[in-house]
Amino acid sequence: AQSVTQLGSHVSVSEGALVLLRCNYSSSVPPYLFWYVQYPNQGLQLLLKYTTGATLVKGINGFEAEFKKSETSFHLTKPSAHMSDAAEYFCAVSVSGGSYIPTFGRGTSLIVHP
Amino acid sequence: ETGVTQSPTHLIKTRGQQVTLRCSSQSGHNTVSWYQQALGQGPQFIFQYYREEENGRGNFPPRFSGLQFPNYSSELNVNALELDDSALYLCASSSKDRRSSYEQYFGPGTRLTVT
Repeated sequence: AQSVTQLGSHVSVSEGALVLLRCNYSSSVPPYLFWYVQYPNQGLQLLLKYTTGATLVKGINGFEAEFKKSETSFHLTKPSAHMSDAAEYFCAVSVSGGSYIPTFGRGTSLIVHP
Repeated sequence: ETGVTQSPTHLIKTRGQQVTLRCSSQSGHNTVSWYQQALGQGPQFIFQYYREEENGRGNFPPRFSGLQFPNYSSELNVNALELDDSALYLCASSSKDRRSSYEQYFGPGTRLTVT
């Protein structure tokens, strides 16, 4: 079975600083990997996804993530944080053996200080 | 293209009651998944429906049941509500088409409070 670990339930950065949200996965077969963002009292919005091919994937709002198989990681980055980036971020993994039903991490709350 | 919609947005029920939540999937999608998101947690998979048949189920008791209709909309029913059922219930639609990477599109959720 697949699993996801998000390191750090809260990450605090200053506006304009680098954002780094960590995600490690466990899977015995090639995974599909996703990052979602959730604003208060809203559903989840897909930021980016990795399926196959290029290991550096770019998403919306200036976010990107790199799939590192050797490290079983899929960390999310953004060069310069904006106040509007403050939200909850979820990493998810899905595999063919699991009917591609995603397993989510517990989430990381991004706090952006002015 | 219409996105995923859910109704109602908020609901308050008493322990022991039954509740039905509704979801309309995005145009062109044939698969609906339901998730429970407790406060401060990630979404937990309840079950998935594909072409009106249950296609997978998470670790939830049988009092959680569902339906999918010919137009691919769906219902989540919860019987004998317990206090721990208080959560945000998310519906996600997707297409079982490899080109889509099985990407799920989420609705805004229904906030259920059980007192």
